[in-house]
Parts: sequence; C-alpha cells; structure tokens
Amino acid sequence: DARVTQTPRHKVTEMGQEVTMRCQPILGHNTVFWYRQTMMQGLELLAYFRNRAPLDDSGMPKDRFSAEMPDATLATLKIQPSEPRDSAVYFCASGLDPHYEQYFGPGTRLTVT
Amino acid sequence: GEDVEQSLFLSVREGDSSVINCTYTDSSSTYLYWYKQEPGAGLQLLTYIFSNMDMKQDQRLTVLLNKKDKHLSLRIADTQTGDSAIYFCAESIRGGADGLTFGKGTHLIIQP
Repeated sequence: DARVTQTPRHKVTEMGQEVTMRCQPILGHNTVFWYRQTMMQGLELLAYFRNRAPLDDSGMPKDRFSAEMPDATLATLKIQPSEPRDSAVYFCASGLDPHYEQYFGPGTRLTVT
Repeated sequence: GEDVEQSLFLSVREGDSSVINCTYTDSSSTYLYWYKQEPGAGLQLLTYIFSNMDMKQDQRLTVLLNKKDKHLSLRIADTQTGDSAIYFCAESIRGGADGLTFGKGTHLIIQP
C-alpha cells in the first residue's frame, strides 16, 4: 500500500525555535510538493521539486522557510525562526510526471506559541 | 490570476444525491480534480477530468465539466454518512506534475 508519509504528525513549539518537517514520497515518484493549509487562506502551494531539483518556491516566505530534497526518498521543510503565523497544517504530496495524480500525506499540524 | 471558488456548505439527506459545484477562472486549466478531506486527515484524490471531456463517471461519482462557463460539478449518488467530509475542487495547467490551485472546500453535511 504505497503512501506518502510525514513526520512528525504534530508539533508544538515556541516562537523563535527551528522546526523541521519531513516527508517520504511514494517510492518511484519524481515530483514532491509542499502545501500549507490554514482556515483563512485554505490550501496554498509553497514549493515543489522534480527529480530532487527545486522548480518553484514562489509560495514560500524566503527569509525563514527552506525546502530541500537530500535524496529521492526524503523531502524536508524547515522554518527558522518560527512565528505564530506559521501555525498551520503542512502537507506533502507526490506525483509521477507526466502522470496526472497527486497523492497527499496525512500532514504535520504545527502550532507555534 | 488563478481562482477557484466553491460554496462553503452543502446539506443533504442520507440516500439523496449531493451536487457540489465549483467555478474556476483560468481558461488554461487543463486538469480539474476533486479531493476529499475527512477530519484530521490528508486529502484523498477522488477523481479528475481533462478539459477536453464533458463528463466522467466512477461508481457513485459523476463529474460534469462545462468548459465554456468554467464550471465543474461533483455528483455523489446515494449519499451515505461516510461521505461527510470537506470536498475540494482543484485545477492545474499541467496536471499533477505541477502545483494545484485549490478552492476553499465545501463541507458536505449529511442529515439522517
């Protein structure tokens, strides 16, 4: 049963702390996406990678957010320093270009106090 | 710019059909998707349709696309309590290989 996995599922941290979220895409998928979900803004695309290369990170606050793919089985999203407005659910999704489906992980619920 | 709009709530009786509507503005949209999100869970891909299609049916789900009006709908036949969730419409120019633009989601409420 191929699934996207994300860790941690929940994270509570204090303002100013560094937060790292991890994603394992479905094996064989070559495209990985990071989305953020909030009540006010809904689902927003933050960044995505294809074959581990960043393609678009225009949705991401550049000064504090960074996204990387150290290898084909791991994607990371880091926030440093974190702020209360970063509180949201962060989803990772993966797909296989040029196919059409995009599969989501269960999300990381981040609370910054 | 891209925009996808949906009604926030829909209430239906168990056993009736549910019709969830969505409008989009980007005429370049080539792929249109429906996702389902249950409380505390991720998004589950339900179905998608290409812009050169008018309709797609998959068991209890029927997707209708009016490209001229940029209107997409999802019909769920014989709605059950397990269908209670938030349904998101999403669009993309290049399909799943690019980022999706989502609507705010429609909360489907099932009345007994």
